[in-house]
Amino acid sequence: EEQLVESGGGLVQPGGSLRLSCAASGFTISTYWMHWVRQAPGKGLVWVSRINSDGSSTSYVDSVKGRFTISRDNAKNTLYLQMNSLRLEDTSIYHCVRDLGSCSSTSCYTDWFDPWGQGTLVTVSS
Amino acid sequence: EIVLTQSPATLSLSPGERATLSCRASQSISNYLAWYQQKPGQAPRLLIYDASNRATGIPARFSGSGSGTDFTLTISSLEPEDFAVYYCQQQLTFGGGTKVEIK
Repeated sequence: EEQLVESGGGLVQPGGSLRLSCAASGFTISTYWMHWVRQAPGKGLVWVSRINSDGSSTSYVDSVKGRFTISRDNAKNTLYLQMNSLRLEDTSIYHCVRDLGSCSSTSCYTDWFDPWGQGTLVTVSS
Repeated sequence: EIVLTQSPATLSLSPGERATLSCRASQSISNYLAWYQQKPGQAPRLLIYDASNRATGIPARFSGSGSGTDFTLTISSLEPEDFAVYYCQQQLTFGGGTKVEIK
């Protein structure tokens, strides 16, 4: 079974940092673009960041640019999200997802996401 | 940037009824649209990709249609486990969701 399992969430004060991990099993992430998608409590889904298959290209939603860094370790089959300068509005469940669009190593037309991890909750509060 | 608008926000139906959910794109997106189901406390689950293709293991009562700017997710006869929130997605954009609740 293809599965993604996130970890690393928790309670952090405004301005603090967290590093999220997403471990894949049942498939090898090295050939896929991977993403983080978040969901604030009671709200909808919001795309946060993506990384290409070899880690050389990344993108971010404007609200996290300069604060979050996505990375991957294909040898460990794991995706990461380093979150710095956290704000109250970053409070969300963070899901990692696999991109099943038409992707090469340098460009990707994202089509659909599958599977989804169950998510890890990040709470930013003083 | 493409905006996806889902309607209605809430759909109140009884088990056995037909559910029709709409997703409208602000510009043509061909057939590049996916639908997801999310139950409380769970991750979203892929239902439909490329507008009309059911994902692996998805029951035949779920169907998707549409192209261009107007898309529909239809649940032919609601089962108790189908009451959930449904999202459409195109590239990096998600719709706001439709909650299907028990009437």
